[in-house]
Amino acid sequence: DGGITQSPKYLFRKEGQNVTLSCEQNLNHDAMYWYRQDPGQGLRLIYYSQIVNDFQKGDIAEGYSVSREKKESFPLTVTSAQKNPTAFYLCASSISNEQFFGPGTRLTVL
Amino acid sequence: AQSVTQLDSHVSVSEGTPVLLRCNYSSSYSPSLFWYVQHPNKGLQLLLKYTSAATLVKGINGFEAEFKKSETSFHLTKPSAHMSDAAEYFCVVSAIGDKIIFGKGTRLHILP
Repeated sequence: DGGITQSPKYLFRKEGQNVTLSCEQNLNHDAMYWYRQDPGQGLRLIYYSQIVNDFQKGDIAEGYSVSREKKESFPLTVTSAQKNPTAFYLCASSISNEQFFGPGTRLTVL
Repeated sequence: AQSVTQLDSHVSVSEGTPVLLRCNYSSSYSPSLFWYVQHPNKGLQLLLKYTSAATLVKGINGFEAEFKKSETSFHLTKPSAHMSDAAEYFCVVSAIGDKIIFGKGTRLHILP
């Protein structure tokens, strides 16, 4: 089956720790995205990548980092510099501006 | 520049009655418009999309939307609500070469 996978589904982190969220796609899409979702705020763009080895900051990139070494993979690292990381994180890929979403990772900082 | 406004943050309807979720957009180019649905703790699923073909677009689960350029609207409708329709719905606008813009979402509640 083609699609996008995110792991883990739930993630707990202590304050001061970095954590990496996985996103993999087998749709052969060039573009990939990371969004953060908080209640009542819709989706906010963290980072996006239009092609391998290239990525751009979105609207709320501070405290996050990404890499795009392979077309299939776009991992997101939430660093200790992110002041309020507890949220639901969604990864997407796109073709012709239609986005395909993964199931999400819920990150909770303890 | 593009923008999208979902006019209601919450909508409640009784099971079996019509659903109307409102979306207005602004775009400098000929936009593509999408509606996505999100069930709790899940990813977003595409309901339907408009890409400059027919202005009345039919989607999954009995939903449809009409693109009205004169009103810059793309409202989502369904003739008869089902309990399983309870979810959050997002209207999205995009144009080739421009950013993809999400609305803030409308939570649909279905009353028994």
